[in-house]
Amino acid sequence: DAGVIQSPRHEVTEMGQEVTLRCKPISGHDYLFWYRQTMMRGLELLIYFNNNVPIDDSGMPEDRFSAKMPNASFSTLKIQPSEPRDSAVYFCASSLARWGTEAFFGQGTRLTVV
Amino acid sequence: AQKVTQAQTEISVVEKEDVTLDCVYETRDTTYYLFWYKQPPSGELVFLIRRNSFDEQNEISGRYSWNFQKSTSSFNFTITASQVVDSAVYFCALSEAWGGSEKLVFGKGTKLTVNP
Repeated sequence: DAGVIQSPRHEVTEMGQEVTLRCKPISGHDYLFWYRQTMMRGLELLIYFNNNVPIDDSGMPEDRFSAKMPNASFSTLKIQPSEPRDSAVYFCASSLARWGTEAFFGQGTRLTVV
Repeated sequence: AQKVTQAQTEISVVEKEDVTLDCVYETRDTTYYLFWYKQPPSGELVFLIRRNSFDEQNEISGRYSWNFQKSTSSFNFTITASQVVDSAVYFCALSEAWGGSEKLVFGKGTKLTVNP
């Protein structure tokens, strides 16, 4: 399996623009997670899905952030409008529906908002 | 609420030294899992180990070993005879059985630098 695939790897955008990050989880995995990593706050869970349904979005910072999972093999995280403080590395991860199983992470998208 | 604390922000050692990375966790659950992940300079997060709350047996895998002590809520990670390739950020994480058991809560990470 190719693992969790994220695109793009790097994104530079201007403040106010819409940004869409994409993720393809590992086939057969039931859970999909979006994390954000910054120096100040470390790794924060933004939202996660089970079988394409959002379970917990309490980590989504503001209404500017939205996430969708239209099918089992694709998810997006959208920021509209983007702000400089959104600059971070965004990770997507997936796991099986078995408590205690490890999550597999993508390589991340480094977002820079200027 | 669940919380993971990695008090050591950065550690620097010389190759072949042993190094221990500390992890202290908080949870009201009696059933939980603990994890360690490695993030090398390339950026991806790599799973190293998991431990459930019912298994306090220490584990050794090559130069890596893990010490789980429920009495002190700690899950420490030791690298024996460190190598330059061990340089990375190491994260400890917790997953509780209740209230969103599938999600991982991470510590802030410890950046380990192994110098030649």
